[in-house]
Amino acid sequence: KAGVTQTPRYLIKTRGQQVTLSCSPISGHRSVSWYQQTPGQGLQFLFEYFSETQRNKGNFPGRFSGRQFSNSRSEMNVSTLELGDSALYLCASSLGHHSGANVLTFGAGSRLTVL
Amino acid sequence: EDQVTQSPEALRLQEGESSSLNCSYTVSGLRGLFWYRQDPGKGPEFLFTLYSAGEEKEKERLKATLTKKESFLHITAPKPEDSATYLCAGWVDTGRRALTFGSGTRLQVQP
Repeated sequence: KAGVTQTPRYLIKTRGQQVTLSCSPISGHRSVSWYQQTPGQGLQFLFEYFSETQRNKGNFPGRFSGRQFSNSRSEMNVSTLELGDSALYLCASSLGHHSGANVLTFGAGSRLTVL
Repeated sequence: EDQVTQSPEALRLQEGESSSLNCSYTVSGLRGLFWYRQDPGKGPEFLFTLYSAGEEKEKERLKATLTKKESFLHITAPKPEDSATYLCAGWVDTGRRALTFGSGTRLQVQP
């Protein structure tokens, strides 16, 4: 059974550019959540999508956005990149809506470096 | 503000030397306490979920326990392959419905 697939795994951008990251959840999983991981802040919640609708959003500026397609695949976009956006971006999927009852399965992440 | 604090930040053990990792939380309305393991270059891998004080779960050399204020991850007779960062996370069913992660404990088990 294929796991959560994230692409690209590594990318380098410069300040002011924008980036799109992709996530393919486990087959049958309808919820996709995104987390940002940095050495200083740890794992922080970005947003969750379920059935193509954003269900929940963390405390990140509007430069961070996402969407989910009918096949549950999700993308997140960061516009006007800043140096502080350098991080590992993790996608996680779960069967049902993100809750204490549903286990998140994480992908390997997309490591973004902003120069 | 909901907070999850893990200690120690880093831990070095000799193979076979048992120890415990701590996760304390100051969240109201905690509905679940999750433990994950993260290896370098990989995403977190689910280990356990605990829902109520007094609950315990075991998997191989790992046992997780939960009280009203903290959780412990006990590692019995660890092996080098247990080396990883262990993350705990709390789930609160009100307000922002997301996991609040601690900063993790980096465990190194030396042969």
